[in-house]
Amino acid sequence: ILNVEQSPQSLHVQEGDSTNFTCSFPSSNFYALHWYRWETAKSPEALFVMTLNGDEKKKGRISATLNTKEGYSYLYIKGSQPEDSATYLCAAGNTGGFKTIFGAGTRLFVKA
Amino acid sequence: EAQVTQNPRYLITVTGKKLTVTCSQNMNHEYMSWYRQDPGLGLRQIYYSMNVEVTDKGDVPEGYKVSRKEKRNFPLILESPSPNQTSLYFCASSNTGWGQPQHFGDGTRLSIL
Repeated sequence: ILNVEQSPQSLHVQEGDSTNFTCSFPSSNFYALHWYRWETAKSPEALFVMTLNGDEKKKGRISATLNTKEGYSYLYIKGSQPEDSATYLCAAGNTGGFKTIFGAGTRLFVKA
Repeated sequence: EAQVTQNPRYLITVTGKKLTVTCSQNMNHEYMSWYRQDPGLGLRQIYYSMNVEVTDKGDVPEGYKVSRKEKRNFPLILESPSPNQTSLYFCASSNTGWGQPQHFGDGTRLSIL
């Protein structure tokens, strides 16, 4: 059974700060790791999907890395802006099937 | 416009009264899934479907049924709703393969009294 954990639970930063958060997952039978951005009153939107150890993905000021051997992924936001305020979810799947396990999310608050 | 459509968006009902939440996608996706979101717990998968007539349990299937008779539709059925099924529900779809991002509907907020 997959157990996906995210830390911290919440994070308060000032505009312009760079920040990062962690997603950890069991490394055995790993298949793919997803990151989603979820704004209040909206639905989650996909940021990245990563499958290979050492993968790095970037979209604007947001980037992510993946370490499948030790079972973690980092999400980085450079120069946080108030519009980055959201909950960031990661989800992992393994080769045993197509069940999706989400972490509880990291709630980011960016103060102007 | 590519989208996942859920209906209804909001529903207040009573214990034991059967209800169905519909989900439809127009992207010809093979994979569809239902999640519930409760405070502090993140998204938990209820059921998923790999293709027409192929469904499987997620982590919290008790009290729910699904069907996948057509590729575009994946309804969630609560035969006898109970208050502990009060939650925010999301339907999602993606192309075949777990390496594809999921597209989410706007959510359905259910309150079971």
